[in-house]
Amino acid sequence: DAGVTQSPTHLIKTRGQHVTLRCSPISGHKSVSWYQQVLGQGPQFIFQYYEKEERGRGNFPDRFSARQFPNYSSELNVNALLLGDSALYLCASSLLSTGANVLTFGAGSRLTVL
Amino acid sequence: QKEVEQDPGPLSVPEGAIVSLNCTYSNSAFQYFMWYRQYSRKGPELLMYTYSSGNKEDGRFTAQVDKSSKYISLFIRDSQPSDSATYLCAMSLASGGSYIPTFGRGTSLIVHP
Repeated sequence: DAGVTQSPTHLIKTRGQHVTLRCSPISGHKSVSWYQQVLGQGPQFIFQYYEKEERGRGNFPDRFSARQFPNYSSELNVNALLLGDSALYLCASSLLSTGANVLTFGAGSRLTVL
Repeated sequence: QKEVEQDPGPLSVPEGAIVSLNCTYSNSAFQYFMWYRQYSRKGPELLMYTYSSGNKEDGRFTAQVDKSSKYISLFIRDSQPSDSATYLCAMSLASGGSYIPTFGRGTSLIVHP
């Protein structure tokens, strides 16, 4: 079975540009979460979607948005990029049944903002 | 004060050593406790999770939770160079709907031959 797949794996943008990151969850997983991981830090929660509805939002500005599609894949969009947005963006999928929300992560999309 | 505190290390040990990795937390409502391992340039992968207090063992790995002290530990026995990675603790609530894990910053472990 394919794991969580993310694209692109690496990208370089300049300040003020826009970026779209994509994620395909594990087959059967209906929940997708997005995390930002700055070098040397743990993952910081950005969004969680379940059945195409937003179930949680972290402390990130409105420049960050996301959506989930009928096939449960997801996009994370970031507008007006800042240097501080440079990070590894991780997508994770889960079943989100009652109990532990055990996340399976993709390899991430490494964004560099110049 | 962050909700989850974790010493970033690095922690350097010889092969075969017993490794102890720890996290403290401030939210007494956390009920699920998880350990993830992250190799360089990879996404985190789940090692184990426990519910509430107690111990859980899986091969060379043992997770312990002490809710009275708000302290969790991961022990690695007979450590191997392949265990060299960053270890992230994470914890979440058991009710409230979204069960979003909160992560520590990770501890870098180096096991040298």
